[in-house]
Amino acid sequence: GAVVSQHPSRVICKSGTSVKIECRSLDFQATTMFWYRQFPKQSLMLMATSNEGSKATYEQGVEKDKFLINHASLTLSTLTVTSAHPEDSSFYICSARRAGNTEAFFGQGTRLTVV
Amino acid sequence: QKEVEQNSGPLSVPEGAIASLNCTYSDRGSQSFFWYRQYSGKSPELIMFIYSNGDKEDGRFTAQLNKASQYVSLLIRDSQPSDSATYLCAVYLNSGYALNFGKGTSLLVTP
Repeated sequence: GAVVSQHPSRVICKSGTSVKIECRSLDFQATTMFWYRQFPKQSLMLMATSNEGSKATYEQGVEKDKFLINHASLTLSTLTVTSAHPEDSSFYICSARRAGNTEAFFGQGTRLTVV
Repeated sequence: QKEVEQNSGPLSVPEGAIASLNCTYSDRGSQSFFWYRQYSGKSPELIMFIYSNGDKEDGRFTAQLNKASQYVSLLIRDSQPSDSATYLCAVYLNSGYALNFGKGTSLLVTP
């Protein structure tokens, strides 16, 4: 099976600082990576879609200047939460899809707590 | 706006019983339907997917799809306490294969 590794699994940061979350496809090349966010008792909501080598496509209501997504290689995408605030505290989950395959594989998720 | 609706539960069933989880969707053009299981604090894991009307069985799990009624369900036979989790129904959000999830149904299997 395809393995997607997400790091860190948990992070606590101070309000106003930035946090970077990494998503790696370990045994396949991911042409597309998706970033989701899940608030407590809510479902996963798509934040953005990133294709290798191009700018990410953000969903309506997601600030692209606040949530910086970089997909510089076929195995790595990063999400940087800039100037984090307590309302950004959430569970962030990435998934990766390889070319020609419709199934996407999920990372383990990152629990972000902003204090 | 494509909607995926699920009863939030909790749905409580005794061990060994059949758990029935339901999902409705608004986009009649949806073609692919997914069931994920999510344990608390973990990311979702795919249980099964279904494309065609009718039933699809995989071990203790059976997915049922009725496109005319825009309804998809998941049956879990011989429910075990380890099946206690939140079950998420999902459809493709767009042509890029991102997923649109329902809010999930919490299942509790009691010993």
